[in-house]
Amino acid sequence: SQQGEEDPQALSIQEGENATMNCSYKTSINNLQWYRQNSGRGLVHLILIRSNEREKHSGRLRVTLDTSKKSSSLLITASRAADTASYFCATVNWVSSPGTASKLTFGTGTRLQVTL
Amino acid sequence: KAGVTQTPRYLIKTRGQQVTLSCSPISGHRSVSWYQQTPGQGLQFLFEYFSETQRNKGNFPGRFSGRQFSNSRSEMNVSTLELGDSALYLCASSSGPGTSGSSDPKNIQYFGAGTRLSVL
Repeated sequence: SQQGEEDPQALSIQEGENATMNCSYKTSINNLQWYRQNSGRGLVHLILIRSNEREKHSGRLRVTLDTSKKSSSLLITASRAADTASYFCATVNWVSSPGTASKLTFGTGTRLQVTL
Repeated sequence: KAGVTQTPRYLIKTRGQQVTLSCSPISGHRSVSWYQQTPGQGLQFLFEYFSETQRNKGNFPGRFSGRQFSNSRSEMNVSTLELGDSALYLCASSSGPGTSGSSDPKNIQYFGAGTRLSVL
């Protein structure tokens, strides 16, 4: 079963604008990761944030985590057409899978369309 | 370094048949995980192997099985195929079970392009 929901399900913006995607999850976590998927192909890891961290940056990406609300957000600044893809949050919960950080529980995903 | 390779890329089978999918992880990676992606259920964890041992299994029926070889290559098998097994099957590898360090590269999974299975 999936860990949670992502919001919005779809987002359409113009190049140069910022894109914000939200993810909510249901159980306690050890870390939360964001992945990108282009056109039904494999996923690419973007960024990881630990449960005791509140914000991480990587290039044009900014991720926040609020464990009290069980939610995270991904901000892509100055979007480009090449950012068009589906974005998934994924959580790792060692309570259910001790030491097995490879088990990712994915959200439902946000489809981002960036137009010229 | 070559990425994660999955074969075949596309597969068409009929109900009742069985299928075997293959995954070659990144060189040096010892952990391989499998995921199923469908429009209705999204991305779901199937199982994970590390050093030829299944370490974790998702909530799938026994028709879904897998194994890992000594060279870390992995196969998954689905027997008695059903229409609902039509999906994109993704394999991911990592250098090992992750740790609490956020910069630990073992926490990052590298995905293959997937095998798209259609069951008719």
